[in-house]
Amino acid sequence: LAKTTQPISMDSYEGQEVNITCSHNNIATNDYITWYQQFPSQGPRFIIQGYKTKVTNEVASLFIPADRKSSTLSLPRVSLSDTAVYYCLADEAAGNKLTFGGGTRVLVKP
Amino acid sequence: GAGVSQSPRYKVAKRGQDVALRCDPISGHVSLFWYQQALGQGPEFLTYFQNEAQLDKSGLPSDRFFAERPEGSVSTLKIQRTQQEDSAVYLCASSQRQVRTKNIQYFGAGTRLSVL
Repeated sequence: LAKTTQPISMDSYEGQEVNITCSHNNIATNDYITWYQQFPSQGPRFIIQGYKTKVTNEVASLFIPADRKSSTLSLPRVSLSDTAVYYCLADEAAGNKLTFGGGTRVLVKP
Repeated sequence: GAGVSQSPRYKVAKRGQDVALRCDPISGHVSLFWYQQALGQGPEFLTYFQNEAQLDKSGLPSDRFFAERPEGSVSTLKIQRTQQEDSAVYLCASSQRQVRTKNIQYFGAGTRLSVL
């Protein structure tokens, strides 16, 4: 079973910032928080990963508070092409599989 | 190649037929994974290879499902006597399996299997 809970869907508009919060009350010490993005008819694509505090790359930012019970993926200035399903995962860094939940369907409107 | 390649992209099978799905991982990636994704749901783990060794097959739903990676590169997922409930997208992923990559997996586009 997935260790994470996230909203089923979110709507936004072009140019806005999208923040998706993921709850993971019972993750283990060895678990990393990882986000994947999936477009229709494609496989999931790695976006960002973190353990705690803040991680930023060219695509997104990930905020993980000290208690690690939740995390927030932030997508700055979204465009229509950011419409996708976003998955929050909590798995061991040295693990042998990824555990996906249902994901959050983000719809970006013009 | 530049990414994980899967073939065929689409497969239609009559119930009871056997099917074989192919995965070409990223060159040099030691680990290879198969996932099953039902419509509207997240991918679910099926099995994992490290080189040619199948180290985890706990996710395979029945003994009709069989996977192999004989030379530690290309992998084949075989489904015998297909049933309608096998209809799904089958995703293959590969990983470098180094500490710094922290289990980041690279996915192919998947094979959509429809069993009639």
